[in-house]
Amino acid sequence: DAKTTQPNSMESNEEEPVHLPCNHSTISGTDYIHWYRQLPSQGPEYVIHGLTSNVNNRMASLAIAEDRKSSTLILHRATLRDAAVYYCILYSGAGSYQLTFGKGTKLSVIP
Amino acid sequence: DAGVIQSPRHEVTEMGQEVTLRCKPISGHDYLFWYRQTMMRGLELLIYFNNNVPIDDSGMPEDRFSAKMPNASFSTLKIQPSEPRDSAVYFCASSYHMMNTEAFFGQGTRLTVV
Repeated sequence: DAKTTQPNSMESNEEEPVHLPCNHSTISGTDYIHWYRQLPSQGPEYVIHGLTSNVNNRMASLAIAEDRKSSTLILHRATLRDAAVYYCILYSGAGSYQLTFGKGTKLSVIP
Repeated sequence: DAGVIQSPRHEVTEMGQEVTLRCKPISGHDYLFWYRQTMMRGLELLIYFNNNVPIDDSGMPEDRFSAKMPNASFSTLKIQPSEPRDSAVYFCASSYHMMNTEAFFGQGTRLTVV
């Protein structure tokens, strides 16, 4: 499986932008990069995904490095509701489902 | 749509008893996944189905675990007999195509085996 590496934890002040990094140096050409988050006592929630180009949606932006070996999830203005564990996940294109959650980054938002 | 619905939300059972967890996926989704989450191991994929057919069950920990999907709107995860180490939160998720779409997760079932 292609692996991802994320910092264990990060802190952000409320209303400031947050950049959550993810390294995936062994990514294959057909792997999609997905981000999910898990709020306390809830199931994981989809945030955003991309393949090669940067992506934006109402929740966040995803910046993908040109060589695709890293990506950054950008929350433009952190709120207290954004405090969660954020998972960077690679979807393998090898046929079998390889949605593997790592340990993720626990984001704390300081009021 | 009400999203992925799991039942029960909480289950406490005695060691050795049979436990059945239930999941109703989002209508029209053709993939269904069962995950288990513990503090020690994080989120683990146990098994997934495509069009009601089990595709990969390599994550199922042992023969005590079994999963079925008798139709497109219902799946069960059964543990028989249950053991204390099975205590965890079990999540069900569903999606359309795997790679280029999002998976929707249920609220989970918190299982405690005493």
